[in-house]
Amino acid sequence: GQQVMQIPQYQHVQEGEDFTTYCNSSTTLSNIQWYKQRPGGHPVFLIQLVKSGEVKKQKRLTFQFGEAKKNSSLHITATQTTDVGTYFCAGRVRGSRLTFGEGTQLTVNP
Amino acid sequence: NAGVTQTPKFQVLKTGQSMTLQCAQDMNHEYMSWYRQDPGMGLRLIHYSVGAGITDQGEVPNGYNVSRSTTEDFPLRLLSAAPSQTSVYFCASSYSRDSGNTIYFGEGSWLTVV
Repeated sequence: GQQVMQIPQYQHVQEGEDFTTYCNSSTTLSNIQWYKQRPGGHPVFLIQLVKSGEVKKQKRLTFQFGEAKKNSSLHITATQTTDVGTYFCAGRVRGSRLTFGEGTQLTVNP
Repeated sequence: NAGVTQTPKFQVLKTGQSMTLQCAQDMNHEYMSWYRQDPGMGLRLIHYSVGAGITDQGEVPNGYNVSRSTTEDFPLRLLSAAPSQTSVYFCASSYSRDSGNTIYFGEGSWLTVV
């Protein structure tokens, strides 16, 4: 079945450092979504990427969708303590249901 | 606008007990689903519904039942709780199952089975 792998599982950074999480699929995706979950909270939608090679930015967050639509990344520039949480990618193969990656748990040391 | 509302937020059950996790959404969404979240395993789909009267199994359906008698409500029933069902449960909804629809999650229900 469809698998969405996400790495790393954990990332600890000092405030001000950059952070990147990667998402890889075994099959070509029709789209990919990214969610953020604060500690003790629920996942909250961040963004959706649909087009091959697409790049979208939200302030310090940059999202990319690979040319083959099998991988994606989320990059945070100059992390802040407010960025703490778990970041999930979720990919969908056409006609199938959304599959979530295992998530990357980010901690930021002030 | 309440969004997706789940109750209870916390529950402790004894092995073998049954219970129902309630979920309601006020956004007139067709698609509703239940996920469980365990450490290091992300979000796994238990059951989902594409509309009132229609339900289907997800990735990990065993030990759970659902029904969808109205568009708004999608309760999750644990028939005979087991310690392996200790988890955080999230109800979610979206306008439809199609690509491009944002999923809105409830705040979660923390369930412990002893």
